[in-house]
Amino acid sequence: RKEVEQDPGPFNVPEGATVAFNCTYSNSASQSFFWYRQDCRKEPKLLMSVYSSGNEDGRFTAQLNRASQYISLLIRDSKLSDSATYLCVVNKGSSNTGKLIFGQGTTLQVKP
Amino acid sequence: DGGITQSPKYLFRKEGQNVTLSCEQNLNHDAMYWYRQDPGQGLRLIYYSQIVNDFQKGDIAEGYSVSREKKESFPLTVTSAQKNPTAFYLCASARGTLNYGYTFGSGTRLTVV
Repeated sequence: RKEVEQDPGPFNVPEGATVAFNCTYSNSASQSFFWYRQDCRKEPKLLMSVYSSGNEDGRFTAQLNRASQYISLLIRDSKLSDSATYLCVVNKGSSNTGKLIFGQGTTLQVKP
Repeated sequence: DGGITQSPKYLFRKEGQNVTLSCEQNLNHDAMYWYRQDPGQGLRLIYYSQIVNDFQKGDIAEGYSVSREKKESFPLTVTSAQKNPTAFYLCASARGTLNYGYTFGSGTRLTVV
């Protein structure tokens, strides 16, 4: 089983749609969770951290379910500029130092 | 502004040649990392360092070497022992804890010719 698993997609949605991405992780002791965005041939950039209580940043909402070891990202009112690959990221192990593990990424294509 | 700088942006390597990729950060971050990304693939960890003069192998360290002589710098050497080096190489840095995630450089695209 991969340490971080995502549905690679692609997800093709019209502008204005709501789209949700899911991610599962294998280490129940993990403490840090993130969503990164990566544009084609560019470096990943931090989109948002994910907290147990859930958190929202404008049109983006992230949720964490520790019991199910499941992370989600919801994008409302999709824009053309949201087209990118979204990476689910989790720290390895129980310590909050060390390294992050990246999922394969979910590709989103927003169409006019 | 603080940031992390990778150079060169594009690099071409001949068969049997060693090449070194530069990574410099002025964020005062303790930890630095090297990842490799192949087309359509996720990021795979090559090496990482949490303090000066110390580093650990990641999942795919064979054929690579690193040094961490200064806090700001973490160069990666791709040796001739790395049989399939063509990839996108990403350097990242982080504070002492991972609460804030990584900051990435803009990457080096290495091609074997």
